[in-house]
Amino acid sequence: NAGVTQTPKFQVLKTGQSMTLQCAQDMNHNSMYWYRQDPGMGLRLIYYSASEGTTDKGEVPNGYNVSRLNKREFSLRLESAAPSQTSVYFCASSWTGTSYEQYFGPGTRLTVT
Amino acid sequence: EDKVVQSPLSLVVHEGDTVTLNCSYEVTNFRSLLWYKQEKKAPTFLFMLTSSGIEKKSGRLSSILDKKELFSILNITATQTGDSAIYLCAVGRGGTSYGKLTFGQGTILTVHP
Repeated sequence: NAGVTQTPKFQVLKTGQSMTLQCAQDMNHNSMYWYRQDPGMGLRLIYYSASEGTTDKGEVPNGYNVSRLNKREFSLRLESAAPSQTSVYFCASSWTGTSYEQYFGPGTRLTVT
Repeated sequence: EDKVVQSPLSLVVHEGDTVTLNCSYEVTNFRSLLWYKQEKKAPTFLFMLTSSGIEKKSGRLSSILDKKELFSILNITATQTGDSAIYLCAVGRGGTSYGKLTFGQGTILTVHP
């Protein structure tokens, strides 16, 4: 049981480049989430997917898009990266929205120059 | 606007000390309060407190929730160097925000030998 996995672990982009962060979970969870973590700001929700086939915006969705490819996978896309998107990105999953306990992946450290 | 505030932002203690971390919140449709520990990578779940469970204990860690005064504390007794981490508080809401968590900024705890 790998839990929540994320790829890549590290990435450096130039301003304007695009990339997709991948997330997969093997716990048969229905809900999945993308967060970003910046120093002194805790975790902020970018997008979430309550169940397969649905997605919704979180606190800081601008500049990002998501795809819930199937029950296991939830990807985050940066279409045109900006230095302000330099951050650590975490994917998480939970059984459903009624179970607030979320399980987190190891994170992706992204630097945009 | 929903708000979760943690204090102190950082804390340095010596092994054997007892620490108290604070989390206050102002959110609509409160459902639960969660504590996470974040060492080098992913946050890991510690406790969840709800209306039906306002006190939790696990080994040297304990937490209480005061729903009237809108705060929670996390106590760690007989601290060890392995307790060094960022401690995150998060609040789960109901209504249209069902399942989503709002995180505080985190408290950085450093335990010296």
